[in-house]
This record gives sequence, structure tokens and C-alpha cells, in this order.
Amino acid sequence: EAQVTQNPRYLITVTGKKLTVTCSQNMNHEYMSWYRQDPGLGLRQIYYSMNVEVTDKGDVPEGYKVSRKEKRNFPLILESPSPNQTSLYFCASSFTAQGEQYFGPGTRLTVT
Amino acid sequence: ILNVEQSPQSLHVQEGDSTNFTCSFPSSNFYALHWYRWETAKSPEALFVMTLNGDEKKKGRISATLNTKEGYSYLYIKGSQPEDSATYLCARGGLRNNDMRFGAGTRLTVKP
Repeated sequence: EAQVTQNPRYLITVTGKKLTVTCSQNMNHEYMSWYRQDPGLGLRQIYYSMNVEVTDKGDVPEGYKVSRKEKRNFPLILESPSPNQTSLYFCASSFTAQGEQYFGPGTRLTVT
Repeated sequence: ILNVEQSPQSLHVQEGDSTNFTCSFPSSNFYALHWYRWETAKSPEALFVMTLNGDEKKKGRISATLNTKEGYSYLYIKGSQPEDSATYLCARGGLRNNDMRFGAGTRLTVKP
């Protein structure tokens, strides 16, 4: 089954404790993105990747890091999480740069 | 920052009603317009991707049109059903690779 998976689905953590949210897709897509969803706002792009070792900042990259060492995986790293990073996070992948995006199930992160 | 605006923010209709909502976006550096359907507790799923001025797409009772010159797209639902209840997101893709800007969505509730 074609899918995008994310782990964990739910995470409660404390300020400053480094965490990683994993994302994996099995569709051989070149393009992958991370978004955050906050109430009243649209999905905002954090980072995206066009291929292995090729990443670029989206609209809200501050406080986040990503890596793309393998085509299927695109982890999101929060080196020192803060409460303003409490949000719902989605990973997405697409076959082409502007093709339809396939979204993962989401990760709800709470930073206290 | 280029804003994508959706209206209305929310909409309540009766089963059987037809409805439509609007997505407006900056027309400069436009590449593609996406519509997604997002049900509560699920992930957004792609409905349409349109690129050409005048594009019209249809999937069952749902259809969409695109005007790139004036920067708007309409989504139509004919004969709404309770299972159509969801948030409908539009996203504008720009010329930069994987650059996606989402609107805040229109939340549709269809009452039986």
C-alpha cells in the first residue's frame, strides 16, 4: 500500500529536549515536505527536499532542521524545542515538484 | 509572503444543497493550484491539481475551476451529502521547486 508514515503520532516533551519526528514514504517520490498546522492558519511549509541531500527552507524554518540521506526518509529535528513549536505536524511527498501531495497521518507535538 | 485566502471560513448546508467556495491567490509566479479534502482526525487528501487558466476538473459530484489571470479558483459540490463534511484546503504552487502556500481552509458541515 502506497503510504507516508510518521512517528511518533503523539508526543509531549519539555522545553530544550531534542527530538526527532521520522517520516518515510514507499512511493519512490523525490519531493518531500514538512508542514505545521496551527488553529486559524493554513498549513505552513517548514522545509522541503527535492532529492537526496537537497533541502531548502520553507516559510517557517526557524527552530527546525531536516536531513535527507535516503530517498524514502525525511526526518524533522527539533534541537531545542520551545512551547511555540507546539503544533500538528504533517510530512508529505510528491512525485513531481508541483504534483499532488500525499500526506502522512500527522504528529501532534506538545512542548511544555 | 504571498497569501492564499479562502472563503467562507465555514459553511453549514442541508443534505442535497449544492455549494461552492472560493480560493484566491497571487497570480504572479503561479504554477499550480491544488485542492485537498481534510476530514477530522485524518490526513489531507488531494482532490485536484490544476495548472492552466480555464482548467476545469471533476470528480463525481465535486468540480473545480481555475482562473490564473485574476487569481481565483472555485470548488463546487453538487447535492451535498453528510460524508462531504470536511475542511477543504487550497494551495498555490509557485515557480520555486515544491513551494506550496496553503489557505486556512473552508470547513463544510452538511446536515442530514
